[in-house]
Amino acid sequence: AQKVTQAQTEISVVEKEDVTLDCVYETRDTTYYLFWYKQPPSGELVFLIRRNSFDEQNEISGRYSWNFQKSTSSFNFTITASQVVDSAVYFCALSEAYNNRKLIWGLGTSLAVNP
Amino acid sequence: ETGVTQTPRHLVMGMTNKKSLKCEQHLGHNAMYWYKQSAKKPLELMFVYSLEERVENNSVPSRFSPECPNSSHLFLHLHTLQPEDSALYLCASSQEPGPGQTEAFFGQGTRLTVV
Repeated sequence: AQKVTQAQTEISVVEKEDVTLDCVYETRDTTYYLFWYKQPPSGELVFLIRRNSFDEQNEISGRYSWNFQKSTSSFNFTITASQVVDSAVYFCALSEAYNNRKLIWGLGTSLAVNP
Repeated sequence: ETGVTQTPRHLVMGMTNKKSLKCEQHLGHNAMYWYKQSAKKPLELMFVYSLEERVENNSVPSRFSPECPNSSHLFLHLHTLQPEDSALYLCASSQEPGPGQTEAFFGQGTRLTVV
């Protein structure tokens, strides 16, 4: 069965701290896609990254970085030097190649960055 | 500013009312989606339209009726809802077909309360 687990329900940090959001996934498919989305208080889900299963290179975009490890079925997201504007709910999601319209979502991690 | 606009942002309706949610995308995408977001549950994909044809209906009760008159507009018609239908309803769009799941762009959602 396909599943995405975000074990951390809520995280609270102080500004400028680094924080890592965990994502563990399950799938039987060999080709799949992983996503991270951010949902700020305004409600819309904002796309952050898409990674396919054949590309295990880590990615860095400004203060954001992603660590994809197929050996542990994890796709973790790190925010370096967090800021108050990073406060949001972050969702990890999985899409399989055979049904690429359907995203399987985690329950999300609520991140609060305090000044 | 999002390329996907949803109206209304908030809606309170009685169980015998009929109302409609509207979604408009300005991104030139050819696929549109309705999602339901409830507390402590993963996002639920309700309907998918591709090139104005409904291609997925994930066992959604008939009291929810989608309509896609053109590739830029998507409606969700509601009638005789139940209190458990109270949730955030999110519309999204994406470009397809593609080699894999392309990222979806989301609206800010309609917060629906059924009383």
